[in-house]
Amino acid sequence: KAGVTQTPRYLIKTRGQQVTLSCSPISGHRSVSWYQQTPGQGLQFLFEYFSETQRNKGNFPGRFSGRQFSNSRSEMNVSTLELGDSALYLCASSLLEQTQYFGPGTRLLVL
Amino acid sequence: GENVEQHPSTLSVQEGDSAVIKCTYSDSASNYFPWYKQELGKRPQLIIDIRSNVGEKKDQRIAVTLNKTAKHFSLHITETQPEDSAVYFCAANRGNTPLVFGKGTRLSVIA
Repeated sequence: KAGVTQTPRYLIKTRGQQVTLSCSPISGHRSVSWYQQTPGQGLQFLFEYFSETQRNKGNFPGRFSGRQFSNSRSEMNVSTLELGDSALYLCASSLLEQTQYFGPGTRLLVL
Repeated sequence: GENVEQHPSTLSVQEGDSAVIKCTYSDSASNYFPWYKQELGKRPQLIIDIRSNVGEKKDQRIAVTLNKTAKHFSLHITETQPEDSAVYFCAANRGNTPLVFGKGTRLSVIA
């Protein structure tokens, strides 16, 4: 089976802009979680979608949002970008409860 | 909520020696404990996981032990090789709650 894929892999934006990242889970996986990874904070949970519904949400401002489509693909959006949003954004999909498999990530640089 | 502490933050070992990374968790209801390995520029990869009904699990040179009473779990890598050099993350959760990650351990295996 193909693994989790994410697009784009790299992105450069300027402050105030918005960005949309995409994640395609492993075929058959219905849960998609998003994480922000930075050198100082490690892996921080953003949100999780299951069957098109947000099931869990982390402690991030409302500028971070997401959605999931009927084919389980998920997108996350960050509006009004700030310098501190520069990070690696990882998504992970799971079939069985708890076991998660990560995508390669999207590296976002905000200038 | 859950809090996961991971030690040490960096670890250097000679090739062939063993490496041990320890994590503690705060939520006694947590029942799933995965370990991920992240090589430079790559995605986190699940290397082993353990559930709370098991005290120890082994997979070739890698083992994980769980002490539910003390609320800590450890990753043991024996006969380390240069390709084991990476950042290792522990995590914990229960049910469908989000995975909470430790801050990571940078393991360097010196040839």
